Amino acid sequence: DGGITQSPKYLFRKEGQNVTLSCEQNLNHDAMYWYRQDPGQGLRLIYYSQIVNDFQKGDIAEGYSVSREKKESFPLTVTSAQKNPTAFYLCASTSVGQPQHFGDGTRLSIL
Amino acid sequence: SQQGEEDPQALSIQEGENATMNCSYKTSINNLQWYRQNSGRGLVHLILIRSNEREKHSGRLRVTLDTSKKSSSLLITASRAADTASYFCATDSGGNTDKLIFGTGTRLQVFP
Repeated sequence: DGGITQSPKYLFRKEGQNVTLSCEQNLNHDAMYWYRQDPGQGLRLIYYSQIVNDFQKGDIAEGYSVSREKKESFPLTVTSAQKNPTAFYLCASTSVGQPQHFGDGTRLSIL
Repeated sequence: SQQGEEDPQALSIQEGENATMNCSYKTSINNLQWYRQNSGRGLVHLILIRSNEREKHSGRLRVTLDTSKKSSSLLITASRAADTASYFCATDSGGNTDKLIFGTGTRLQVFP
């Protein structure tokens, strides 16, 4: 089955620690996105990538980093500089003119 | 920044009733999409309406778009308990990307 897989489903971060959230897709989509969702809120764009080895900042990129070394993979690192990382993180992918397909999210909490 | 504002923020109805959610946006768009999110899950695409379309149907869903008012509505007819979810509108941000800007969402509760 084609789709997007996010892992882990739950993640805990200690003070001063960097953590990496995984996002893998087998839909052969060119573009991939990372969103942050806070309770009762909509989605805010963190980073996006339209092609391998290229990515752009979204609206709330501070404290986050990404890489796009392979078409299928777009990992997100939440760095220690992100002072309020507790949120639900969603990854999505798409091809031109198509709707975005979403993974089932990673819930990040502070220990 | 969030392009869309949705109204109401929350809606509770009985099974069999219709549910209407509204979305307003700020800038010109090429298309508007509606997504559904079950609690703790990712978003699922429901329907896309282009700026030159005024109404679109898909099963029990009906979407309207009024570009002069920069607003859209999603109507779910004959609702079911399984329709309980949050619903989000999303607009394209223009340019040559598929970047979307999401609204704040409407939480729909359908009671059996």
